[in-house]
Amino acid sequence: QQQVKQSPQSLIVQKGGISIINCAYENTAFDYFPWYQQFPGKGPALLIAIRPDVSEKKEGRFTISFNKSAKQFSLHIMDSQPGDSATYFCAAILLNSGGYQKVTFGIGTKLQVIP
Amino acid sequence: NAGVMQNPRHLVRRRGQEARLRCSPMKGHSHVYWYRQLPEEGLKFMVYLQKENIIDESGMPKERFSAEFPKEGPSILRIQQVVRGDSAAYFCASSPGTTSNEQFFGPGTRLTVL
Repeated sequence: QQQVKQSPQSLIVQKGGISIINCAYENTAFDYFPWYQQFPGKGPALLIAIRPDVSEKKEGRFTISFNKSAKQFSLHIMDSQPGDSATYFCAAILLNSGGYQKVTFGIGTKLQVIP
Repeated sequence: NAGVMQNPRHLVRRRGQEARLRCSPMKGHSHVYWYRQLPEEGLKFMVYLQKENIIDESGMPKERFSAEFPKEGPSILRIQQVVRGDSAAYFCASSPGTTSNEQFFGPGTRLTVL
């Protein structure tokens, strides 16, 4: 059962354009919603994250929009650059006692930003 | 401060052999997670360990797979009698566990089973 659904699976955007990736979740118990960026041959790296009591979070060119009632959240990359070309994963985290966080990942979106 | 280290980066095994994947967490981190990434798929949780303890292995296949995180040395993910379906990238992540919940990922081990 896929608890976090991500779309699209691939995305091509012109340099300077806006990249938008969407995710939907099912479990209302999730505590935290991060986005990870992964370059080929590397592990995922945390990009930006949001808690469900916040509707939007912006860090530089990256913005998360969160819709709690619809159980959806999205990543917007403004002024997309070729260096942003990577695979992006949304995720949902359950925080348990003792610092344990259980992460459920989306399937990933391969973003290509063309000059 | 070195990040999470994994070795080997690439591992080729023939069907029936054993695969041992190693993960050295970041300095000061006592929590380790293992994930598997199949081609064209997201990462799937396998197991969560603290020093000398397996806390959650709900994502680990019941047979052939085992993990440990000894008091000294790296965490080890062991796959016995590998099959072609085990071919994947295996990522380890570590976290300090108390002051921050963020997981820091290693570069992964790419296992190919011939």
